[in-house]
Amino acid sequence: DSGVTQTPKHLITATGQRVTLRCSPRSGDLSVYWYQQSLDQGLQFLIQYYNGEERAKGNILERFSAQQFPDLHSELNLSSLELGDSALYFCASSGGGSYNEQFFGPGTRLTVL
Amino acid sequence: GENVEQHPSTLSVQEGDSAVIKCTYSDSASNYFPWYKQELGKRPQLIIDIRSNVGEKKDQRIAVTLNKTAKHFSLHITETQPEDSAVYFCAASKRSNTGKLIFGQGTTLQVKP
Repeated sequence: DSGVTQTPKHLITATGQRVTLRCSPRSGDLSVYWYQQSLDQGLQFLIQYYNGEERAKGNILERFSAQQFPDLHSELNLSSLELGDSALYFCASSGGGSYNEQFFGPGTRLTVL
Repeated sequence: GENVEQHPSTLSVQEGDSAVIKCTYSDSASNYFPWYKQELGKRPQLIIDIRSNVGEKKDQRIAVTLNKTAKHFSLHITETQPEDSAVYFCAASKRSNTGKLIFGQGTTLQVKP
């Protein structure tokens, strides 16, 4: 167990809908990263938050957004869902130190029908 | 842009043999290189990492080597066991205020009993 929690484990929804994925980092970690893993794309970095502020953006679609709250948990919001958004979404956390060891949560499997 | 190439995409070995997975990174400013093991449907687990000021690191049956000049790093698993079967990902990141990981495409390792 990495200490990073994610809810829900599974999410099945329809095209056009909006969903929210939640992540709680390890105790004491200030950074949260979101990654998308689809079959043909591997692990792709989406976005990073550090202590409530956006720190870096990857290839995140405009339909996706995220935030980190004062208690350091983070939410990833996916809207106007398309079939191609079906994937595993992982969050990872780190202490924000120089070398940024990241520990992953169990993931949320999103299926868009 | 930032890119990590990983080879081979699949690797099949007999139990007890060694396995080697190689990665090449494009950004010469990268200085942290973790390796993750992912079992089917599970989260990526950090198994070993290396920093740019070190050429080699060992942890029991696994070792990682880094050649900064060639921008190349490798994972070595000796005395492979069936439980080593999984997908292995290499990644690279830069020392900065963002530690986003750029992942390789993954290697599916199968260890045959």
